[in-house]
Amino acid sequence: EAEVAQSPRYKITEKSQAVAFWCDPISGHATLYWYRQILGQGPELLVQFQDESVVDDSQLPKDRFSAERLKGVDSTLKIQPAELGDSAMYLCASSAGLRETDTQYFGPGTRLTVL
Amino acid sequence: AQKITQTQPGMFVQEKEAVTLDCTYDTSDQSYGLFWYKQPSSGEMIFLIYQGSYDEQNATEGRYSLNFQKARKSANLVISASQLGDSAMYFCAIVCRGSNYKLTFGKGTLLTVNP
Repeated sequence: EAEVAQSPRYKITEKSQAVAFWCDPISGHATLYWYRQILGQGPELLVQFQDESVVDDSQLPKDRFSAERLKGVDSTLKIQPAELGDSAMYLCASSAGLRETDTQYFGPGTRLTVL
Repeated sequence: AQKITQTQPGMFVQEKEAVTLDCTYDTSDQSYGLFWYKQPSSGEMIFLIYQGSYDEQNATEGRYSLNFQKARKSANLVISASQLGDSAMYFCAIVCRGSNYKLTFGKGTLLTVNP
């Protein structure tokens, strides 16, 4: 069964360091999403790609976060410098397209701890 | 803006019994999709069931069914014959064109199944 891959699964870093997360969506899925989930809350969208183009990055803190999907397949999310408040679960999801009927499938997530 | 409200922070159910998790939503879009996800302690978001706004019949997937009442803007999840492995966080979410098809999640309900 096709799955969304993410790495690393866990990341511990010190504040002011740079971190990067990788996501490989389900093959053929045009739409890729990065969500952040703070403990005790539901996930919130950081950035959304359709192929290699950004559809929505309105909630991405652009002073420290960047995201790319250069070839329209896998994607990287970077934080530089990391802050204590960035400790969270970072979830990647993909869907076949941009319709309300398209199910988003999630990867296992990256649990980030900033010390 | 879209909004999901889950009013039950926690629920308890005995093994083999049925349980209903509540979800109400708010959107100005006429066309939308409603989703339920399960999140075990491992952190992965697992898709359970989908209901489209124009679907006349309630969705069912195995032991999961969705009680969709459009006029009341509710989309409650019913889990029949609960199993110990059903213990997890459950999130209701909505997707619509007005939000660029991102998932807007509620705060979740923590379900505990007792033996």
